[in-house]
Amino acid sequence: EAEVAQSPRYKITEKSQAVAFWCDPISGHATLYWYRQILGQGPELLVQFQDESVVDDSQLPKDRFSAERLKGVDSTLKIQPAELGDSAMYLCASSLVGGVSPLHFGNGTRLTVT
Amino acid sequence: GENVEQHPSTLSVQEGDSAVIKCTYSDSASNYFPWYKQELGKRPQLIIDIRSNVGEKKDQRIAVTLNKTAKHFSLHITETQPEDSAVYFCAAIYSGYSTLTFGKGTMLLVSP
Repeated sequence: EAEVAQSPRYKITEKSQAVAFWCDPISGHATLYWYRQILGQGPELLVQFQDESVVDDSQLPKDRFSAERLKGVDSTLKIQPAELGDSAMYLCASSLVGGVSPLHFGNGTRLTVT
Repeated sequence: GENVEQHPSTLSVQEGDSAVIKCTYSDSASNYFPWYKQELGKRPQLIIDIRSNVGEKKDQRIAVTLNKTAKHFSLHITETQPEDSAVYFCAAIYSGYSTLTFGKGTMLLVSP
């Protein structure tokens, strides 16, 4: 079964440093999502792409977070500078066409900011 | 936007018992309601979903019911097993290019 690939699996960084996460969705999936999951809570959307275009980034803290999906395939999420409150699991997901098609999640990147 | 409330936050049952998790949603236009299971340290995985034109859906020991009038939907697990222990998330979405809104999750613990 095809899976969403994410790297790194774990990342420890000091506050004020830059950090980047990478995601490769399931082949053929047009819609890609980045979610943040704080321990004990449900995933919260940061940004949604349809192909290479941003569909929803209303919850993305744009002063420090950026995301791109230049060729409409893999994607990078960047945080600069990282803050203590950014410690969380960052999950990437993809779906065939967005909307009501099922989401397939990657294993996530566990970020710890010290 | 959509708001999804999920209860209870934790649920402990004995093996073989049934478990029920309930969610309410705010946007009457929402028409797709998936449930995800997340085991400790693993990715959320879709276990069952229901669309608004259906009142109930079953898959072996798992069932989901939807009450559009009351704007709530529930996950039912029968004959629970220790491997059912996980965090379960409900979600809701209005079709199109809108985005899933997740509940805060229910930690289910099934004791042998």
